Amino acid sequence: AQKITQTQPGMFVQEKEAVTLDCTYDTSDPSYGLFWYKQPSSGEMIFLIYQGSYDQQNATEGRYSLNFQKARKSANLVISASQLGDSAMYFCAMAETGGFKTIFGAGTRLFVKA
Amino acid sequence: GAVVSQHPSRVICKSGTSVKIECRSLDFQATTMFWYRQFPKQSLMLMATSNEGSKATYEQGVEKDKFLINHASLTLSTLTVTSAHPEDSSFYICSASRDRGGETQYFGPGTRLLVL
Repeated sequence: AQKITQTQPGMFVQEKEAVTLDCTYDTSDPSYGLFWYKQPSSGEMIFLIYQGSYDQQNATEGRYSLNFQKARKSANLVISASQLGDSAMYFCAMAETGGFKTIFGAGTRLFVKA
Repeated sequence: GAVVSQHPSRVICKSGTSVKIECRSLDFQATTMFWYRQFPKQSLMLMATSNEGSKATYEQGVEKDKFLINHASLTLSTLTVTSAHPEDSSFYICSASRDRGGETQYFGPGTRLLVL
């Protein structure tokens, strides 16, 4: 069965510093996608970054990068140069390619300090 | 592109009434739409998956007679909470995908439901 684990319920980071949010996953399917979403207090889910299981390179989108370690089944999100507006809940998610379902981790609340 | 809207954004209703929430993909055709429920400070819980023109697939433990889902067109899915009770109060979020694999989902802004 699929499983997504985020072990950090809360994280603090100083403004302008980098932070890594951890995510590990478990699946028996060789083909899957990994996602990170940001959820600010308004509740909307904002797509940040996607990594396919067969992608050779780590995904990057602006200040977001995904540290994909397939053998370890980890997909950590790295946010560089944190900004106050980055304070939010962050969810790691996984979908099996060709499947219908995306499952979400429990989330990590990030607090950026000025 | 890939904008998904939800209406209403928040609703307060009396216990026993039914509430309909609409989810629309504004600039693309959504083959698959998903409905999630989120309790405060918790993760998203998938309730059901709907594909246009076919019956929704409900997750285990979700009452299909309680949460009616209609995916009438490629741009509209509705969730009706029938005979709502206070325990149905929650944040309901829809998402839409262009493909049947649901690989990249675009989320609506969510609907906060409060049942008195």
